[in-house]
Amino acid sequence: EPEVTQTPSHQVTQMGQEVILRCVPISNHLYFYWYRQILGQKVEFLVSFYNNEISEKSEIFDDQFSVERPDGSNFTLKIRSTKLEDSAMYFCASKFNTNTGELFFGEGSRLTVL
Amino acid sequence: AQRVTQPEKLLSVFKGAPVELKCNYSYSGSPELFWYVQYSRQRLQLLLRHISRESIKGFTADLNKGETSFHLKKPFAQEEDSAMYYCALSGQGLTGGGNKLTFGTGTQLKVEL
Repeated sequence: EPEVTQTPSHQVTQMGQEVILRCVPISNHLYFYWYRQILGQKVEFLVSFYNNEISEKSEIFDDQFSVERPDGSNFTLKIRSTKLEDSAMYFCASKFNTNTGELFFGEGSRLTVL
Repeated sequence: AQRVTQPEKLLSVFKGAPVELKCNYSYSGSPELFWYVQYSRQRLQLLLRHISRESIKGFTADLNKGETSFHLKKPFAQEEDSAMYYCALSGQGLTGGGNKLTFGTGTQLKVEL
């Protein structure tokens, strides 16, 4: 069964460093998402991506964040200059269509900012 | 604005007892409601959605628009039901974009023997 895969599973970085989290969505999916979950809090929407552009972003997704689909298979989330409060589990998700399609999640990438 | 409320952080029941995980939502339009489940050390996965009106693993959920609720129910809890359950709402995203999911804070269900 096809799955969304994410790398790395865990990354530790120093405050101020750039981080890139990678995701490989399911191959025939068209809509891509990043969510995050700070420890003990709820899963929060960050950004959605469709047709090679951001379709919606939350207020969390400020200028420090960017997403890219560089090669038709990977979907990356970049944090330019990490802050302590960026420490969280980051989930990538994808789905085939926009209306009633099921959202498929990756296992998450845990980011720890020291 | 979209909002999902799950009032219970933890729900502990005995095996064989009925389960009800509460979910209330706030949305001005016509929402689509989901329950996602996360078993220990596994990814979030869809359990059921209101438009399907199906029963998965013995769980059902009915959308009550009058009470703006989508409670998850199961008549007889099993040990393997122990997991984190998230209620989620999908509203209308921007034109051409995929509709985002707004999650509740989740309820940890613990089924005891």
